[in-house]
Amino acid sequence: AQKVTQAQTEISVVEKEDVTLDCVYETRDTTYYLFWYKQPPSGELVFLIRRNSFDEQNEISGRYSWNFQKSTSSFNFTITASQVVDSAVYFCALSTSGGYNKLIFGAGTRLAVHP
Amino acid sequence: ETGVTQTPRHLVMGMTNKKSLKCEQHLGHNAMYWYKQSAKKPLELMFVYSLEERVENNSVPSRFSPECPNSSHLFLHLHTLQPEDSALYLCASSPTGLAGGTDTQYFGPGTRLTVL
Repeated sequence: AQKVTQAQTEISVVEKEDVTLDCVYETRDTTYYLFWYKQPPSGELVFLIRRNSFDEQNEISGRYSWNFQKSTSSFNFTITASQVVDSAVYFCALSTSGGYNKLIFGAGTRLAVHP
Repeated sequence: ETGVTQTPRHLVMGMTNKKSLKCEQHLGHNAMYWYKQSAKKPLELMFVYSLEERVENNSVPSRFSPECPNSSHLFLHLHTLQPEDSALYLCASSPTGLAGGTDTQYFGPGTRLTVL
């Protein structure tokens, strides 16, 4: 079975704090793809990053960074020096190779950044 | 112009009404998707279209009827809905629809549907 677990339902931080959103996935496939999306109050899911299972190199994009560890089946997302505009629901998702592109989403983590 | 647009953004309908949701993508993609996002469940894939052909129907009740007249447009026709169908309906598109590293889905803003 394929599954994505985001154990943190809600996180509340004060502006400028660093925050890490956890994502744990399950799949038996050796080739798979992991994604993070941001959903602001407007509703649209905004694509943040895609990572394939063969590339465990961590990635940094501005204040955002991602830590992919196959040994623990985790793909965690860190926001450094959080800002109020980072307030949103963040979704981790998994898709596997073969067939059609079907995203399996976690339940999402609601991040509230307070001034 | 934004990549994926959806209309209407909000819709209230009675259980006996018939309405349609519209999605349009301006990204030149060949695949389009409908998702349902309700308060009590994670995002659920409903339908996948690749090159205007339906390739996935994720056990969706027949009161939801999709239509893809071309690769840029996707509709979701609604009839005889139930109150539990109230949710945010999201449309997405991707280059090919095939599972693989280059196929990322891009989402529209959604239609907030309320069934009375």
